[in-house]
Amino acid sequence: DSGVTQTPKHLITATGQRVTLRCSPRSGDLSVYWYQQSLDQGLQFLIQYYNGEERAKGNILERFSAQQFPDLHSELNLSSLELGDSALYFCASSAQGGNTEAFFGQGTRLTVV
Amino acid sequence: AQSVTQLDSQVPVFEEAPVELRCNYSSSVSVYLFWYVQYPNQGLQLLLKYLSGSTLVESINGFEAEFNKSQTSFHLRKPSVHISDTAEYFCAVSDKDQKLVFGQGTRLTINP
Repeated sequence: DSGVTQTPKHLITATGQRVTLRCSPRSGDLSVYWYQQSLDQGLQFLIQYYNGEERAKGNILERFSAQQFPDLHSELNLSSLELGDSALYFCASSAQGGNTEAFFGQGTRLTVV
Repeated sequence: AQSVTQLDSQVPVFEEAPVELRCNYSSSVSVYLFWYVQYPNQGLQLLLKYLSGSTLVESINGFEAEFNKSQTSFHLRKPSVHISDTAEYFCAVSDKDQKLVFGQGTRLTINP
């Protein structure tokens, strides 16, 4: 158990809909990262938050957004869903500092039908 | 920009045989290097990491990787694999901002 909790584990929704994925980081970790894993794109970094503020942005679509709340949990919002958004979405957390490792949650498997 | 290339998408080996999973990276700054393992239907687990110091790093389950700066490589090796090592292995690089850039992954299949 990495200590990072993601909910829900599975999500099936229709095209055009909006969903919210939730992540609770390890106790004490200030950084949260979101990654997307798909068969064609592999593991792609989406976005990072640190102590409530956006720190870095990767290949995140404009239809996607995220935020980190004062209690440090984070949510990834995906809207106007398309079939190609079907993927495994991982959240990871780490403590401050350049030599710390990221701990990954079990992921949320999103299926868009 | 950083990038990672895993040269083999699939590596089949026999049980108790040695294995090497290759990883090359590209970066203009000092990097930290990682190997993550993903067992079927599970999340990513850190296998080992290179941050600084000794270029040879080891994991608790017999894997090791050597950081080679001149060849920009971080290959993963195990002298004798077990059925339970069947998984997908991801090489990753990060900088001080800590976001990870992953390779495409190598699926290791162990045959009895």
